[in-house]
Amino acid sequence: AQSVAQPEDQVNVAEGNPLTVKCTYSVSGNPYLFWYVQYPNRGLQFLLKYITGDNLVKGSYGFEAEFNKSQTSFHLKKPSALVSDSALYFCAVSPPRGSGNTGKLIFGQGTTLQVKP
Amino acid sequence: ETGVTQSPTHLIKTRGQQVTLRCSSQSGHNTVSWYQQALGQGPQFIFQYYREEENGRGNFPPRFSGLQFPNYSSELNVNALELDDSALYLCASSPYGQPQHFGDGTRLSIL
Repeated sequence: AQSVAQPEDQVNVAEGNPLTVKCTYSVSGNPYLFWYVQYPNRGLQFLLKYITGDNLVKGSYGFEAEFNKSQTSFHLKKPSALVSDSALYFCAVSPPRGSGNTGKLIFGQGTTLQVKP
Repeated sequence: ETGVTQSPTHLIKTRGQQVTLRCSSQSGHNTVSWYQQALGQGPQFIFQYYREEENGRGNFPPRFSGLQFPNYSSELNVNALELDDSALYLCASSPYGQPQHFGDGTRLSIL
């Protein structure tokens, strides 16, 4: 079955420190990979995507993500966290085209990032 | 601001009733997807519409149905509401095959 796992319910980091939010996936083939962020009472905001190419993807607000095919991981990173980064982060995969899939997103359970001053 | 607007923002219904949720997609986006996000969970794919045709469906019963209009706006209809239907319903639009942009959702509460 296709799935996404975010093993940490919450990540706590001090402002100015680097952060990592982990994501692993179980999807056959070469899926598209995404990170979204959700602020309270809001929808999901697109951060970045990996389709193909360089394993390090840069996105919005200084975030980046590292794709590792052998470990089927797509961890979200930021070199220096801000208090305003505190939010709920979702990893998502879209199964490859041509496999009967239509661009639907399969989401993980989400990780709450708490950045403390 | 994604340009995807959903209405209403909040809604309270009782079991057995029917509900229609609306989504206005971002200009130029011909694909609309609907997701259900239960409290504390990640969004679950309900279905997708592309050029007014259903283009994929998740594991939801037939009482969840939808429409996409020529201007690419969309509706989600749910019949015979159940308590477990209480959730945030998210609409996302995109050009076909591109990253999806989400609205702020409709919070549906079933009493």
